[in-house]
Amino acid sequence: DARVTQTPRHKVTEMGQEVTMRCQPILGHNTVFWYRQTMMQGLELLAYFRNRAPLDDSGMPKDRFSAEMPDATLATLKIQPSEPRDSAVYFCASGFNRGRLDFGPGTRLTVL
Amino acid sequence: AQTVTQSQPEMSVQEAETVTLSCTYDTSESDYYLFWYKQPPSRQMILVIRQEAYKQQNATENRFSVNFQKAAKSFSLKISDSQLGDAAMYFCAYSPLNRDDKIIFGKGTRLHILP
Repeated sequence: DARVTQTPRHKVTEMGQEVTMRCQPILGHNTVFWYRQTMMQGLELLAYFRNRAPLDDSGMPKDRFSAEMPDATLATLKIQPSEPRDSAVYFCASGFNRGRLDFGPGTRLTVL
Repeated sequence: AQTVTQSQPEMSVQEAETVTLSCTYDTSESDYYLFWYKQPPSRQMILVIRQEAYKQQNATENRFSVNFQKAAKSFSLKISDSQLGDAAMYFCAYSPLNRDDKIIFGKGTRLHILP
């Protein structure tokens, strides 16, 4: 049963440190999304890719966040420098133009 | 702008009873998908049910069914014979048809099941 995988599952870091989250989409899926979930804002779309090309990252703070897909099996979300307000659960999801997304288990990030 | 609104932040239902979660959305598109996702305490997002807007028939999946009212832009979820395992956060979501699977989520409704 194919699944989206994310690493790490949990990350605690100090303010100012760099954080990198990784995602392996389901093989054959051509779209990859990054969502952030907080109590206050719910699920926010940060960025997404189609066939590895970035399509929309308007939901992402550009000064500190960056998202890339170095190859079809890896998507990364980087925060540098991290701040306490970045504490959230970050989800990766992948899809294939069939009107549904498969979500990874999420990375819970805590920035002290 | 496309938005999804869930007006009930929390709901409770007695085990074995039926509960309905509300959702409304705003869009100018004529073709789109609507979803209900479940997020249990494990945090995993699980697709519960999907509705294609061009289909008039309401989708059903076992104990889960929807009431899709396209003109009213309403998409409620009915859970019959509620079970303890149904306790979770439920998200209503919208996706334009064939637009890269981009999904817009509501804020969610937390459902409590009372034994």
